[in-house]
Amino acid sequence: NAGVMQNPRHLVRRRGQEARLRCSPMKGHSHVYWYRQLPEEGLKFMVYLQKENIIDESGMPKERFSAEFPKEGPSILRIQQVVRGDSAAYFCASSPPGLAGNYNEQFFGPGTRLTVL
Amino acid sequence: QKEVEQDPGPLSVPEGAIVSLNCTYSNSAFQYFMWYRQYSRKGPELLMYTYSSGNKEDGRFTAQVDKSSKYISLFIRDSQPSDSATYLCAILKGGYSTLTFGKGTMLLVSP
Repeated sequence: NAGVMQNPRHLVRRRGQEARLRCSPMKGHSHVYWYRQLPEEGLKFMVYLQKENIIDESGMPKERFSAEFPKEGPSILRIQQVVRGDSAAYFCASSPPGLAGNYNEQFFGPGTRLTVL
Repeated sequence: QKEVEQDPGPLSVPEGAIVSLNCTYSNSAFQYFMWYRQYSRKGPELLMYTYSSGNKEDGRFTAQVDKSSKYISLFIRDSQPSDSATYLCAILKGGYSTLTFGKGTMLLVSP
């Protein structure tokens, strides 16, 4: 059973370009979470999605960032008009369906390291 | 006050030492307490999680939660160079599904 897959592993963009980060959850997992890890900072929650639904986007910056998890295909985190401050490691995690409020282990992918020049 | 506080270290110990890693948290609504290990350039992996106050042991690792003082700890016995990594505490609020992480403590175990 393959783990959570993220691609690309490294992404370099110039200021003003768009960045698209992809996440394929583990087989059987229908919940996806995106976290950002800035240098010298811990992991910060960005958005929680289930298939075709955004459940919680309270950690997502209001502008330039969007996320989706379509019925078919991977989850996508999209950053428009990137700025240098967007340089970070972006991690995706997935978990199986379960009762809200109970702990369902989140399995993390290897991350995408975004560098904005 | 941050929701989860964790000393970033680095913490350097010789092989075989007992390691103590700690976090404090501010919100009594937190119910689940996790420890993740993250090797350099890798994603975090879950080591242990606990729900209630008390101790939970798994091999060389012991997780301890004290809800009255909002303090969680991870103890590593007989530390090995392969334990060198960043250790992240993470906490989950009841009724929610998203994790709140500490900044992580970098541990270096020298042979």
